[in-house]
Amino acid sequence: QSALAQPASVSGSPGQSITISCTGTSSDVGGYNSVSWYQQHPGKAPKLMIYDVSNRPSGVSNRFSGSKSGNTASLTISGLQAEDEADYYCSSYTINNTRVFGGGTKLTVL
Amino acid sequence: QVQIQQWGAGLLKPSETLSLTCAVYGGSFSDYHWSWIRQPPGKGLEWIGQINYIGNTTYNPSLQSRVTISVDTSKNQFSLSLGSVTAADTAVYYCARERGIESYYFDYWGQGTLVTVSS
Repeated sequence: QSALAQPASVSGSPGQSITISCTGTSSDVGGYNSVSWYQQHPGKAPKLMIYDVSNRPSGVSNRFSGSKSGNTASLTISGLQAEDEADYYCSSYTINNTRVFGGGTKLTVL
Repeated sequence: QVQIQQWGAGLLKPSETLSLTCAVYGGSFSDYHWSWIRQPPGKGLEWIGQINYIGNTTYNPSLQSRVTISVDTSKNQFSLSLGSVTAADTAVYYCARERGIESYYFDYWGQGTLVTVSS
């Protein structure tokens, strides 16, 4: 199975908004509402930020939001803060009952 | 509060078998799936496979021939075995809890174990 496609890097200034895309196929992202997003700081385990396309776990800032259109899911971070600088990964359930991750996006807060 | 603690050998020689175990503390063990995910140094996450509490498994097709995931419900533990390792299997290995019922996401993770394969 191929990794979901994410941009290698995005950047933004404090206070701005950024969006990270995650493109798959109708056999994964497009076929199910089981897209999730993870934040990973260096040397740390990933942290769940969004599940089921657009739901936030308890304790995650409402500056993080998710959406999906067709085979592409998106993570938007508004009001960028220095602490948001991290790697972000999307994940999806697949038609074969497997799971697949995106290649990851490095977010730089300028 | 759910906590997942993992352990296992961190240095292997080529052709040996990788073996890691995770113990789950808190929460329901039977209501979730239990997954293994790895991350080569400087690279992205790769899903290895998952198991539910009755032992049903699903594996990444690219690793299926070498992977076995097992569960010990009496101890709330699950384990990963990866055979015939090579340098390409060098990675941080994570275990994680997955909701796994009509909703698939990893909400609790172990701390990660760096496994290095080197002769």
